[in-house]
Amino acid sequence: GIQVEQSPPDLILQEGANSTLRCNFSDSVNNLQWFHQNPWGQLINLFYIPSGTKQNGRLSATTVATERYSLLYISSSQTTDSGVYFCAVYTGTASKLTFGTGTRLQVTL
Amino acid sequence: NAGVMQNPRHLVRRRGQEARLRCSPVKGHSHVYWYRQLPEEGLKFMVYLQKENIIDESGMPKERFSAEFPKEGPSILRIQQVVRGDSAAYFCASSLTGFLIEAFFGQGTRLTVV
Repeated sequence: GIQVEQSPPDLILQEGANSTLRCNFSDSVNNLQWFHQNPWGQLINLFYIPSGTKQNGRLSATTVATERYSLLYISSSQTTDSGVYFCAVYTGTASKLTFGTGTRLQVTL
Repeated sequence: NAGVMQNPRHLVRRRGQEARLRCSPVKGHSHVYWYRQLPEEGLKFMVYLQKENIIDESGMPKERFSAEFPKEGPSILRIQQVVRGDSAAYFCASSLTGFLIEAFFGQGTRLTVV
């Protein structure tokens, strides 16, 4: 099956800093999503981005499908950005969305 | 997404009891997926169901676990004779046409086996 690796595994930022999270996948994908799991465990949809670039406020994402990676940019980080960020991909050959290993982000004052 | 409703949010069971987790998909969605998240881990696929049919159960443990999505009512994930290793968060997602479009997950059920 497809392998989905995220980096870095852990990240500590001071409030106001910027960061880039990376998601590498081992096969062609039809769907790629970024999720934020907040400290209460809820999964929040950030982006549906099988290709191209999207922006939503302080967050933006880029997927380069031909090179099999996606990037999530967080600018001017806030403490509420803390949590775990997952990317998840769908290949079409399997019926499931496969989640990456996650990046645990902690934003401090 | 508030459209996918899971209940209960928290469930405590003693070893050997049964756990029933419910998932009501977004209205009109006929595809339901269950995922399990063990502590400090990512989400792992368990089972994919359409109305009255199991499409893919490749991630489901062979024993004690079962899932259904009846013609009427919510999808149910049932765990018989729970053990401590079943303690996890169980998430449900629903979609109209599979994962070719954006998927939304419920808030999860956190099962604790004592």
